[in-house]
Amino acid sequence: DAGITQSPRHKVTETGTPVTLRCHQTENHRYMYWYRQDPGHGLRLIHYSYGVKDTDKGEVSDGYSVSRSKTEDFLLTLESATSSQTSVYFCAISESREQYFGPGTRLTVT
Amino acid sequence: AQSVTQPDIHITVSEGASLELRCNYSYGATPYLFWYVQSPGQGLQLLLKYFSGDTLVQGIKGFEAEFKRSQSSFNLRKPSVHWSDAAEYFCAVAIYGQNFVFGPGTRLSVLP
Repeated sequence: DAGITQSPRHKVTETGTPVTLRCHQTENHRYMYWYRQDPGHGLRLIHYSYGVKDTDKGEVSDGYSVSRSKTEDFLLTLESATSSQTSVYFCAISESREQYFGPGTRLTVT
Repeated sequence: AQSVTQPDIHITVSEGASLELRCNYSYGATPYLFWYVQSPGQGLQLLLKYFSGDTLVQGIKGFEAEFKRSQSSFNLRKPSVHWSDAAEYFCAVAIYGQNFVFGPGTRLSVLP
């Protein structure tokens, strides 16, 4: 299995609070991604990174920001969480067009 | 915009029966094509991929998929399903560099 970890694995938070999810890789892959998974939608891309400090928006980026200060870490921040951001969040890494996924973070916004 | 469709939301098959999961994409050129499997509470695992060459590709766990350019399809098949194959299956394409688009998924149930 690819060396990808996500933390926390589960989180419950209140509407309006900031939340940061962390993705850590040990593979030294250039590309990293954040997706959200919701029933009936498959995986939708939030943001991705193609190198340290190089990031770009995906399909559903509103309300999310990311940072990548080191190759191995990619952070996803919800500045002010809303109930619509309740979801399962997956991090992925890629090299040569093969993606490998982390175990996911289940986020509940009450 | 490019899209991936998986027409079947849920499929139920008996153990030992054959399986085909459908995937269609909309894009002018031939993308890179993938199938992933997700067991409950788990991340996604790559089953197989098509980049070029032979249009019938073999993957892990006895799965195969066939790329048909004329139909813009990349259907997943398995000749004999095992109870452990019950999971959700996602088709995905990569078009621009390393950008991936996923289908909505097909949930597979297996009857004993």
